[in-house]
Amino acid sequence: DQQVKQNSPSLSVQEGRISILNCDYTNSMFDYFLWYKKYPAEGPTFLISISSIKDKNEDGRFTVFLNKSAKHLSLHIVPSQPGDSAVYFCAARKGNFGNEKLTFGTGTRLTIIP
Amino acid sequence: NAGVMQNPRHLVRRRGQEARLRCSPMKGHSHVYWYRQLPEEGLKFMVYLQKENIIDESGMPKERFSAEFPKEGPSILRIQQVVRGDSAAYFCASSPSGAGGSPQHFGDGTRLSIL
Repeated sequence: DQQVKQNSPSLSVQEGRISILNCDYTNSMFDYFLWYKKYPAEGPTFLISISSIKDKNEDGRFTVFLNKSAKHLSLHIVPSQPGDSAVYFCAARKGNFGNEKLTFGTGTRLTIIP
Repeated sequence: NAGVMQNPRHLVRRRGQEARLRCSPMKGHSHVYWYRQLPEEGLKFMVYLQKENIIDESGMPKERFSAEFPKEGPSILRIQQVVRGDSAAYFCASSPSGAGGSPQHFGDGTRLSIL
């Protein structure tokens, strides 16, 4: 039962252009969403998050958009840089105490082409 | 570096042996989570602990796996009588609060290989 889905296993984007990574979820109880970036042989690094009461959150080159009615979120990276090449994981959780586990998607491997 | 520390980074065991994975959370964090990542898959939740308490172990296999987070010392994930299918990367994360907007911060993982 894959409650968080990243349907694109890989994505290639030219340096300087916009990278858009997508994520869909099925559980309407999720109310907090996070994006993590992962390099090989390292742990996931937190990038940006969004609460279900918002539809957009921006931090520098990274913006996350949430469409609750469609149960869809996306991560925009602009402009894309070579150091952005990594695997990106979307994660979701229910915010109530005692329900803090993160449910991850399977990841999208982003390659930035110089 | 005050990040989440996991050791060992790599662990090789033969079938039937025990594996012990350690995790020291970030300073000031009292919540610890363990996740497992199989090749080409996302991370799967195993267990959530606070000091001396297991809060949620819904992702933990019922047999051979156990976790603790004692009052003093690191959190330990213990796998008894390991089998080939236990080969995976095991990640620990910590957070300062169990609720609200605190993201979980991850260690670099322990890569467990079963011969």
